[in-house]
Amino acid sequence: DGGITQSPKYLFRKEGQNVTLSCEQNLNHDAMYWYRQDPGQGLRLIYYSQIVNDFQKGDIAEGYSVSREKKESFPLTVTSAQKNPTAFYLCASSSREGLETQYFGPGTRLLVL
Amino acid sequence: GESVGLHLPTLSVQEGDNSIINCAYSNSASDYFIWYKQESGKGPQFIIDIRSNMDKRQGQRVTVLLNKTVKHLSLQIAATQPGDSAVYFCAEKSDSWGKLQFGAGTQVVVTP
Repeated sequence: DGGITQSPKYLFRKEGQNVTLSCEQNLNHDAMYWYRQDPGQGLRLIYYSQIVNDFQKGDIAEGYSVSREKKESFPLTVTSAQKNPTAFYLCASSSREGLETQYFGPGTRLLVL
Repeated sequence: GESVGLHLPTLSVQEGDNSIINCAYSNSASDYFIWYKQESGKGPQFIIDIRSNMDKRQGQRVTVLLNKTVKHLSLQIAATQPGDSAVYFCAEKSDSWGKLQFGAGTQVVVTP
């Protein structure tokens, strides 16, 4: 069953805590992306990676970090520096040939305790 | 602080009618556009795409129209069904490597 998986579905963060959101894909896609979605708003790009061991900041990278050690995996860490982390986080991937067409995972909802 | 969530534009459609969802894009150099459907609590789902060298593209029950003169994109859904109730986003490719710029979305509500 091919696709993009994200875990957990819900995540709770305490003040001052770093949390990591998982994103895995078995589509053999080269590029992966992280977006943040706030209620009633469009998606905003946090980080993207076009190839293993390389990644670039998106429009709202402050307070977030990523790694891309494997092609299949692109975890996102929400650090304590991100002062308003409550949002729906979406991971996406795309192939080298169809770079523009991004396919999304089911999302992780992050809430602050 | 960050702005409070906005109310999305809402399109209310009777089951069986056709829906038209509109999107204005910002970059006249954009050469690729996508429509996504997002159901509540789920990730966006690809519906249909179109390149700037085309004016119209059809899929199963959906048609996308592109008017580059006025930078306008529309998605038409034929014979709208209850399962079509969702938020619909348009996205434009704004960069050479494939970066997408997303609109805020339109909430479609299908009534019986």
